[in-house]
Amino acid sequence: NAGVTQTPKFRVLKTGQSMTLLCAQDMNHEYMYWYRQDPGMGLRLIHYSVGEGTTAKGEVPDGYNVSRLKKQNFLLGLESAAPSQTSVYFCASSYQGPLKLFFGSGTQLSVL
Amino acid sequence: AQKITQTQPGMFVQEKEAVTLDCTYDTSDPSYGLFWYKQPSSGEMIFLIYQGSYDQQNATEGRYSLNFQKARKSANLVISASQLGDSAMYFCAMRDRIQGAQKLVFGQGTRLTINP
Repeated sequence: NAGVTQTPKFRVLKTGQSMTLLCAQDMNHEYMYWYRQDPGMGLRLIHYSVGEGTTAKGEVPDGYNVSRLKKQNFLLGLESAAPSQTSVYFCASSYQGPLKLFFGSGTQLSVL
Repeated sequence: AQKITQTQPGMFVQEKEAVTLDCTYDTSDPSYGLFWYKQPSSGEMIFLIYQGSYDQQNATEGRYSLNFQKARKSANLVISASQLGDSAMYFCAMRDRIQGAQKLVFGQGTRLTINP
């Protein structure tokens, strides 16, 4: 019953460092999403993917890159972290379009 | 323009009372969907209920129901007989077409606190 798994759960970075967040789902879902959650702003879509090998920009894509080399994995990269990227990051997946999304447990990222 | 608006940042309700969480939306697409998610203090996002724009009946899932008023563009969540475990953040979301693709757009959330 793994569902959607995010790693790591917590991370502290210094400004300018890079890192990759990994999202893995075992439900054979086509669609995968990366959201960030900030206080008072709900969840905002960073990037998404509608299938293996495809990615697209969401509402707030600047400063992030993504890759979907395998259907089950969706990676979110920060090339040069900034304090404005301090947030909680959620990965989600769905079988067919943005219907019922299954979420991971989140990654709390702090950039100092 | 804000697509999803939740006007109640926080609500306090006595246990066993019913509670209504407000959500209004804005879209020009005739086909859309509305969702409610619960986020307890542990942080995970839990799907509660879904309403399609063409659904004639209001959606219900156990103690949760969605009061869908299409003309008013509102999709309020009603929780009957509230329990202490209902204390959480609640997010309204809408499936909307953005830049040619359908995506899920979230409101700012309402923090619900159930008092014993």
